[in-house]
Amino acid sequence: DAGVTQSPTHLIKTRGQQVTLRCSPISGHKSVSWYQQVLGQGPQFIFQYYEKEERGRGNFPDRFSARQFPNYSSELNVNALLLGDSALYLCASSLPTGSRNEKLFFGSGTQLSVL
Amino acid sequence: DAKTTQPNSMESNEEEPVHLPCNHSTISGTDYIHWYRQLPSQGPEYVIHGLTSNVNNRMASLAIAEDRKSSTLILHRATLRDAAVYYCVGQTGANNLFFGTGTRLTVIP
Repeated sequence: DAGVTQSPTHLIKTRGQQVTLRCSPISGHKSVSWYQQVLGQGPQFIFQYYEKEERGRGNFPDRFSARQFPNYSSELNVNALLLGDSALYLCASSLPTGSRNEKLFFGSGTQLSVL
Repeated sequence: DAKTTQPNSMESNEEEPVHLPCNHSTISGTDYIHWYRQLPSQGPEYVIHGLTSNVNNRMASLAIAEDRKSSTLILHRATLRDAAVYYCVGQTGANNLFFGTGTRLTVIP
């Protein structure tokens, strides 16, 4: 079975531009979460979506938005890019079971560079 | 607050056990303790998680202190393929994991 797939793998943008990142979860998984990982740091939670609804949001500005489609795939959008948005963006999927002991499965990420 | 504290780096000889410590003194009573690891150029990979009692799986063991303020991830025999950044992960919600800066494990042949 395919794991979590993300596209594109690498992306270069300039300040002020907008970017859309895509994620396909593991088959059967209905929850998708997005994380941002700046070089040298651990991933930081951005969003969680389940059944097309936002179920959690981290401490990120409104320039960051996301959505989930009926097939459970997801897109992360970032508007008005800043240099500080340069990071590895990770998507994770899970069943979920509704409990607090979910096991997340991460993709390999999209490396975004903002120049 | 789901903050965790880990040493920045550790070294281990190949085929020896490794004990990776983590402090999570502010963890709530219902939050699980998760461990993930991240190999270079990959996303984090689930290792193990537990709530109160010690846990074992094919990858590792997790020893949780009785007061739940700390835990230790145990790799029974480190291999070169275990070289990675290991994250002790707290929770801020059902699926909202809080990663710290992790411990970079170097395995020496």
